Amino acid sequence: AAGVIQSPRHLIKEKRETATLKCYPIPRHDTVYWYQQGPGQDPQFLISFYEKMQSDKGSIPDRFSAQQFSDYHSELNMSSLELGDSALYFCASSFDEANEQFFGPGTRLTVL
Amino acid sequence: EDQVTQSPEALRLQEGESSSLNCSYTVSGLRGLFWYRQDPGKGPEFLFTLYSAGEEKEKERLKATLTKKESFLHITAPKPEDSATYLCAVPSGSQGNLIFGKGTKLSVKP
Repeated sequence: AAGVIQSPRHLIKEKRETATLKCYPIPRHDTVYWYQQGPGQDPQFLISFYEKMQSDKGSIPDRFSAQQFSDYHSELNMSSLELGDSALYFCASSFDEANEQFFGPGTRLTVL
Repeated sequence: EDQVTQSPEALRLQEGESSSLNCSYTVSGLRGLFWYRQDPGKGPEFLFTLYSAGEEKEKERLKATLTKKESFLHITAPKPEDSATYLCAVPSGSQGNLIFGKGTKLSVKP
């Protein structure tokens, strides 16, 4: 069965640089979520999209923005990167908000 | 405010030694309770969804149960490959973003 695809899997950036993370949800899933997981922490919700419209925002810094495109893939754009942004970033998708969320393998971002 | 608390933080078992993990929750209107398994550096893997008190679901050596205040993940005769962090989560917000507990790190020794 198709799963959530994320790219890149690993990303190394310098402070103050910009990063773009991509997420391709499971086919026919209409909701995409982004989560951030720091070392030893539980995943924290950043932002979600339903049918290509932003629906909820969590603890997402103003330096971050995201969008969902017509083919339902989503991108998380991160600017002015800080050391504290180093984390695993997961994308999850579901078929409407009442159903289970399936997570991608994540992107490990390291900011030096 | 929706909240999820898991215990214990860590659990060490011998192979074949059954035990239970606890997840207590406080939510305004439960829309389901999810259990995930997470291996180091990997994405959470969906295990179960429970929707109402009294509901039970099983998968191999795992059984999840739900009451009005908590959920249990029972592990029967665990094997070393069951070692992982088990996360409990509830949907919150208008689009059901998940609120996670801190997880229980399970280690099963042969």
